[in-house]
Amino acid sequence: KAGVTQTPRYLIKTRGQQVTLSCSPISGHRSVSWYQQTPGQGLQFLFEYFSETQRNKGNFPGRFSGRQFSNSRSEMNVSTLELGDSALYLCASSLGWGDDTQYFGPGTRLTVL
Amino acid sequence: TQLLEQSPQFLSIQEGENLTVYCNSSSVFSSLQWYRQEPGEGPVLLVTVVTGGEVKKLKRLTFQFGDARKDSSLHITAAQPGDTGLYLCAAFGSNDYKLSFGAGTTVTVRA
Repeated sequence: KAGVTQTPRYLIKTRGQQVTLSCSPISGHRSVSWYQQTPGQGLQFLFEYFSETQRNKGNFPGRFSGRQFSNSRSEMNVSTLELGDSALYLCASSLGWGDDTQYFGPGTRLTVL
Repeated sequence: TQLLEQSPQFLSIQEGENLTVYCNSSSVFSSLQWYRQEPGEGPVLLVTVVTGGEVKKLKRLTFQFGDARKDSSLHITAAQPGDTGLYLCAAFGSNDYKLSFGAGTTVTVRA
C-alpha cells in the first residue's frame, strides 16, 4: 500500500506571496491532519479534515487554511507569507476515528525569504 | 491545552550504552504515543500505551506508561547508531482529535 505523499517536497517563496501544499493520504483513509514543525516550536497541530469537513483546528491565524476533496486528498494554503512561516509542513492520514494510528508523509520544506 | 514536557532535549551516547527519555504532563491521558523522526522524514509511530503501569517492549526499546497515566518513559538498551533520531511523545486531546506533541529528544548514538 502506498504511503502518504506530499508535494512539493521543497518550496521557496518571498514574503507576501501565497502557497498551496498538497497531501495524498493512504488509500482508504478519510482523515488528514496538518502540522507545522519548526526548531523553536516543535510540531504544532494546524487542522484536521474528515470527509471533506474541518473537524478540528489548532491555534493558527486565518492565513492558514485547508480543504479536503471527495477522494480524501487535502490541500493547505498559506496566504500573505511571513518569514516565520518557514517550516516543515507535515500531513498525516488515518482512518479517522478513535485513537487510531496517524501515518505521516515526508513533509514539505517551505522557506520564506 | 495539555502540555507534554520531554527530557532531556539532547542525548549523545556511545554505541552499546543505555538511555532513557522522559515525557511528563500534569494532565491525565487515555493513551500516549511515541514516535521517531529521522532527518528528511515524517514521524513514525513506535508504540501506543493505553493502560496505567503498562510496559511494552519493541526489541531493544521499552516503553512504560505511568500508573497515573500522566507520564511515560522510553528506554533503549544497548543503543545502536540506527537508533539515532528525534523521539517524540504525543497524546490526543480529551475531547477532540488534535494530536499534541512534546518538543522531542534528539538522540545521537556514536559508533
